[in-house]
Amino acid sequence: EDKVVQSPLSLVVHEGDTVTLNCSYEVTNFRSLLWYKQEKKAPTFLFMLTSSGIEKKSGRLSSILDKKELFSILNITATQTGDSAVYLCAVEATSGTYKYIFGTGTRLKVLA
Amino acid sequence: NAGVTQTPKFRVLKTGQSMTLLCAQDMNHEYMYWYRQDPGMGLRLIHYSVGEGTTAKGEVPDGYNVSRLKKQNFLLGLESAAPSQTSVYFCASRRGTVSYEQYFGPGTRLTVT
Repeated sequence: EDKVVQSPLSLVVHEGDTVTLNCSYEVTNFRSLLWYKQEKKAPTFLFMLTSSGIEKKSGRLSSILDKKELFSILNITATQTGDSAVYLCAVEATSGTYKYIFGTGTRLKVLA
Repeated sequence: NAGVTQTPKFRVLKTGQSMTLLCAQDMNHEYMYWYRQDPGMGLRLIHYSVGEGTTAKGEVPDGYNVSRLKKQNFLLGLESAAPSQTSVYFCASRRGTVSYEQYFGPGTRLTVT
């Protein structure tokens, strides 16, 4: 059975800290891995990864994929209170269905 | 462009009642999805569609039906609502296989009493 596991489930840090969020997966015929940020409402897209070792960056956020060890990490440096959110990882498998399997998310709270 | 919209935003149903949630997208996307999100459960796929007139079951399809009569609309129906269907429902769309990103609607909060 395909599955995506995120850790930790929740995290509380202070502004300025660096955090690392983890996403491990077991899927048949991996195609892509996506990271989303979810605040009060709908998830918003952060990164899409398909190849191992290529780091994606956007400001203070970065992400990398390891297809051999079947995981991805999302790093946030110099955290701000606005980074407080649930971070979701989703994996797509090319089993002919083109659908995503989501992890349960990591809830990050950044204290001022 | 409005992107992905969902109607209604909130709804309270009594057990046994029926309702339809409407998702509309104006981006000419091929793929559309219905998810439910419960505390501690992440997003779980209910049904999805890879084109007009086609639908398929996701992880948790029981108790729901869908239709995609027009490319821009994806309807989610609850024939006989149950308290276990209390959840936040998100619709998403995606351009097609060449595109990876899903665009999400704002969600519908449904409570079944």
